[in-house]
Amino acid sequence: QVTLRESGPALVKPTQTLTLTCTFSGFSLTTNEMCVSWIRQPPGKALEWLARIDWDDDKFYNTSLKTRLTISKDASKNQVVLRMTNMDPVDSATYYCARTRTTVTSLYYFDYWGQGVLVTVSS
Amino acid sequence: DIQMTQSPSSLSASVGDRVTMTCRASQTVSSYLNWYQQKPGKAPKLLIYAASSLQTGVPSRFSGTGSGTDFTLTIGSLQPEDFATYYCQQSYTIPPTFGQGTRLE
Repeated sequence: QVTLRESGPALVKPTQTLTLTCTFSGFSLTTNEMCVSWIRQPPGKALEWLARIDWDDDKFYNTSLKTRLTISKDASKNQVVLRMTNMDPVDSATYYCARTRTTVTSLYYFDYWGQGVLVTVSS
Repeated sequence: DIQMTQSPSSLSASVGDRVTMTCRASQTVSSYLNWYQQKPGKAPKLLIYAASSLQTGVPSRFSGTGSGTDFTLTIGSLQPEDFATYYCQQSYTIPPTFGQGTRLE
């Protein structure tokens, strides 16, 4: 059974760095074609992909946010960590981690999601 | 980045109706198009990947078609649990991008 769970602060101040942890079970990030992504959703708005880390430690970032994002993994602990610097109120959102399946044709999709963690940026 | 546009933004329907919604990409995404369902307060759920492949456990009343830039999600006979917001997402390139959603009400 695949599960993912996000953890992190519910409230951060502007300019602070947000650190979120995704703890997962039911799969391994050492297995070929397994990846984990972070996706966020401001209240009432659409989904926005942030970053992805692959089984081979390849990393990919949102084009407009990449200077602020760092993704890393600890495969032995089944954890993926996302750091976002210089937080602003517009970054207030529910942050999800999702297992990302890739295929030999490079198709990929988000097949399992965590429940999400709501992060509010306010002084 | 590839822009994804969904229409309509909201759709009113009744139980038993056949419902169709569309997703258009700003450039070709081949068949690298996925559909998700999201209910209020819940995480999205994968329905269809690769434009037409049904994810395991998803009812067969859901179907997807299309390739290139134009895609369709159809619900064959709407059930009460299908009222939700539906998002398309392209995986032809990185970064992946989502449409703005179609709210089914």
